Amino acid sequence: KQEVTQIPAALSVPEGENLVLNCSFTDSAIYNLQWFRQDPGKGLTSLLLIQSSQREQTSGRLNASLDKSSGRSTLYIAASQPGDSATYLCAVAPPGYALNFGKGTSLLVTP
Amino acid sequence: DTAVSQTPKYLVTQMGNDKSIKCEQNLGHDTMYWYKQDSKKFLKIMFSYNNKELIINETVPNRFSPKSPDKAHLNLHINSLELGDSAVYFCASSQVVGGPNEQFFGPGTRLTVL
Repeated sequence: KQEVTQIPAALSVPEGENLVLNCSFTDSAIYNLQWFRQDPGKGLTSLLLIQSSQREQTSGRLNASLDKSSGRSTLYIAASQPGDSATYLCAVAPPGYALNFGKGTSLLVTP
Repeated sequence: DTAVSQTPKYLVTQMGNDKSIKCEQNLGHDTMYWYKQDSKKFLKIMFSYNNKELIINETVPNRFSPKSPDKAHLNLHINSLELGDSAVYFCASSQVVGGPNEQFFGPGTRLTVL
């Protein structure tokens, strides 16, 4: 059974810092990995999708990497801003199945 | 022009009642999902339909019954609601189940059972 773990569970940083969120998964037989953002009381916003054949994806200040063989992904946020405060969720899609989610990293960026 | 929409957004009801949540997507996707986010914010798959056919059915009580009248709609009916059913229910869609395609989520329906 696929298990997805996100470390740290919570993170507080001052504005302007670069930061890294970690995600690990137990079964490397995945089709893709997706990073989401969830604001309190809101739905999920897709940030980046990395397909199993890819190593990384970039969108603006966000960069996500994937090392399928070691079962790891990182989400790098450059020059963090208070507006980045949210919960970040990592999810993997095994073959023929829906997304398996981690429990998220709660990020607080202080001015 | 919302991609994945759900109604209602909030649902407060008494134990024992029956309720439905509706989901619609206008992305032309073939696959739709229901996920449940519990009080600890953990998201888990409940059901998935591909072109109106049930393809994923997790260990969910029989009181939960999904229905897909067409590939753009996936509804969730819950019978005899229990306190433990209180959660946020998210609908999502993608082009191919388990494939290299992005999943898009609706805004969620917050169900509170009193």
